[in-house]
This record gives sequence, C-alpha cells and structure tokens, in this order.
Amino acid sequence: KAGVTQTPRYLIKTRGQQVTLSCSPISGHRSVSWYQQTPGQGLQFLFEYFSETQRNKGNFPGRFSGRQFSNSRSEMNVSTLELGDSALYLCASSPGLAGSNQETQYFGPGTRLLVL
Amino acid sequence: SQQGEEDPQALSIQEGENATMNCSYKTSINNLQWYRQNSGRGLVHLILIRSNEREKHSGRLRVTLDTSKKSSSLLITASRAADTASYFCATDLGSYIPTFGRGTSLIVHP
Repeated sequence: KAGVTQTPRYLIKTRGQQVTLSCSPISGHRSVSWYQQTPGQGLQFLFEYFSETQRNKGNFPGRFSGRQFSNSRSEMNVSTLELGDSALYLCASSPGLAGSNQETQYFGPGTRLLVL
Repeated sequence: SQQGEEDPQALSIQEGENATMNCSYKTSINNLQWYRQNSGRGLVHLILIRSNEREKHSGRLRVTLDTSKKSSSLLITASRAADTASYFCATDLGSYIPTFGRGTSLIVHP
C-alpha cells in the first residue's frame, strides 16, 4: 500500500496570507489527524477527522481549520498567517479513531511552512 | 502541561551500546506508544503497550511500563548508526487526544 502523502512538501508564505495543505491517507484508513511540530512546542495535536467529521480538536485558534472528503483525503487551512505558524505540519492516518491512542498512526513526511 | 515528557532530551552513544530513554506522564492512560522520527520527516510507529502490560519486545526494542510510577522506558539494544533519530512517546491521558512529548534526540556514532 502507498503511504501517507502530503502536498506541498515546502511552502513559503507571508504574514496575513492563507494556506491550504493536503493529505492523502493510506487506502482504507478513515481517520486523518493533523499535528504541528515546532522546536519550542514539540508535536501538538491540531484536529482529527473521521468519516468526514471532526472528532477531536486541539488547543489552536479558529484560524486553523480542516475538512475531510468522502475519499478520506483531508485538507488543512490556516488563515491570516502569523510568523509563529512557521512549522512542520504532519498528517497521520489510521484505520480507526486515533484519539484513544489504541491505533497505530501512519505519518506522512510533512509540509514545512515558513511564514515571512 | 499534559504532555508525556521524555528524558533525557539528548543522548549520544557509540554503535553497539544500549540506549535507554524514559517517558513520564501525569494522569492515567489506556495505552502508550513510542515513535521514531528521522530528521525533519514523519514519525514511524515502534511499539504500543497497553496499561495492563508491563513489558513488550520488538526486535532490538524493549519497552516497559510502570503505571504506578506513571513512566515508561524504551531500550534499544546493540544500537546502530541508523538508530540516530528522535524518539517520542505518545499517550492518550484519557482525553482522546494523542499527546506527544518533546522527544529524546539520540545520536549513535559509528
């Protein structure tokens, strides 16, 4: 099976712009989770989508949003970018809900976002 | 913070030596998982240990869980240069939000 893919891999934006990141999960996986990774805060959970519904959400402002399509592909959007949004954004898929931590999550390579 | 915390933050060893890293957490958990991340890339799942288990093995990896001390350890035996990576523990902390620690950075010198 193909692994989790994320596009684009690298992105440079300026403050105030918006960005959309895309994630294609492993075939058959219904859950997609998004994480932000920075040197200062580590790996932080953004949200999880399962069967097109947001199931869990981390402690991030409303500028961060996402959605999941019927084929389980997911997009994450960040509006009004701030310098502090510069990070590696990782998506992970799993067959079932990841929130219980009973499922193995399969991570994509990430999208590295730089906000200038 | 509700994060699991790995210790040490960084570890430098020679090939062939064993590497031990620890994870502590603050509240009850159902499961604990260990992941590895090579520089700037996605995480790779290593092992899942449930709260009613005390020890699990996978190849050169040995994970222990002590729920009374709210801690887990990951032992990599006979380390190789290819084991150089960051290692993270992930817990659920009963919140249905997978929570990762800040990781232990392991460098294995050939």
